[in-house]
Amino acid sequence: QKEVEQDPGPLSVPEGAIVSLNCTYSNSAFQYFMWYRQYSRKGPELLMYTYSSGNKEDGRFTAQVDKSSKYISLFIRDSQPSDSATYLCAMTLIGFQKLVFGTGTRLLVSP
Amino acid sequence: DADVTQTPRNRITKTGKRIMLECSQTKGHDRMYWYRQDPGLGLRLIYYSFDVKDINKGEISDGYSVSRQAQAKFSLSLESAIPNQTALYFCATSDRPGQGGQWTQYFGPGTRLLVL
Repeated sequence: QKEVEQDPGPLSVPEGAIVSLNCTYSNSAFQYFMWYRQYSRKGPELLMYTYSSGNKEDGRFTAQVDKSSKYISLFIRDSQPSDSATYLCAMTLIGFQKLVFGTGTRLLVSP
Repeated sequence: DADVTQTPRNRITKTGKRIMLECSQTKGHDRMYWYRQDPGLGLRLIYYSFDVKDINKGEISDGYSVSRQAQAKFSLSLESAIPNQTALYFCATSDRPGQGGQWTQYFGPGTRLLVL
């Protein structure tokens, strides 16, 4: 079993839809949770960063962490074609030795 | 991406050849990483280095070696390339935790490697 599980998609939605992307994990010691966005032929870039449980909002993006369920989510409101990319969840322990990534979910937003 | 550069961006090589992928960064970070990305498998850590004298194996280091020539340079070598090393390779850097702000890794643009 992988430490971090993520549905690879693709997830296809129309412009303006609310998108929900999710990851589950098995290691309860993870404390820091991130979402990276990766456009085609580019390196991943940090989108959202959350410590422990709770919600964090940044514009159209909301990250949620439920440590009791070992489940994290990224919500995108009013999705745009420019949001079409692969979204990778990542997490790490206190001490920040290294990140553990999900496999990524490919999102396609059609005009 | 401009702060972390990778060369070459694309490379085709033959089985058995030795090749080197290079990474340079201008962010002044101590920590550098090499990942490979494969469809369905995501990003997997090959090697990482927390300073010039510190090199650590990641989860898939077999068949690879690295060299940290300076704080800003971290090279990945495939000693004898094989077809299943065909992948997208990323270099990343990070600061030490507690240096201010959120901690993250900054990725280069990637090297697309094809081993025939």
